[in-house]
Amino acid sequence: GAVVSQHPSRVICKSGTSVKIECRSLDFQATTMFWYRQFPKQSLMLMATSNEGSKATYEQGVEKDKFLINHASLTLSTLTVTSAHPEDSSFYICSARDPLAGGGNEQFFGPGTRLTVL
Amino acid sequence: AQKVTQAQTEISVVEKEDVTLDCVYETRDTTYYLFWYKQPPSGELVFLIRRNSFDEQNEISGRYSWNFQKSTSSFNFTITASQVVDSAVYFCALSEYDKIIFGKGTRLHILP
Repeated sequence: GAVVSQHPSRVICKSGTSVKIECRSLDFQATTMFWYRQFPKQSLMLMATSNEGSKATYEQGVEKDKFLINHASLTLSTLTVTSAHPEDSSFYICSARDPLAGGGNEQFFGPGTRLTVL
Repeated sequence: AQKVTQAQTEISVVEKEDVTLDCVYETRDTTYYLFWYKQPPSGELVFLIRRNSFDEQNEISGRYSWNFQKSTSSFNFTITASQVVDSAVYFCALSEYDKIIFGKGTRLHILP
């Protein structure tokens, strides 16, 4: 199956700093990527949908100025958590849709990035 | 609106027992996809199955089987002869085309 990578896998930062997380589709071109957040012992919640070359669509309640998403190429989307605070500590998971797989509906998930804000 | 309900928050069974994880979904669309994912302690999601709404055939893969019933909007997952390595959080999910909506997950403990 298709492979999606995330970098870094783990990051610890100080409160007030910004952190960038990369999501890459390694063997396919992803016109659409998705960003999810998972707090401890909770489910995955969709934060935003990222389309290559256009602005991301954010879910209700997600601050677009705080969580900046850039999908500059067909294989890379980045999520920047700006001015991070301890409440932003979470597990961030991206997924990428392969338009040529499963009728264009199949998504492949990255391994996740664990963010800890001190 | 889409919704996925996994009523079982946590289940513990002794190794070698069979266990069924329940999933009930809501959608207004006639075309949709259902999924099961496993999330071990490492956090990485492991894809288990994807089923479209037109395919109600039950599926078996080794010790895993799935029962899809549109009449009751359920997509249940059974592990036969459970093993300690099956311990994880299992998520049922629903997608109409784009977004995947996850249930809250069932934490499964397989006791040796």
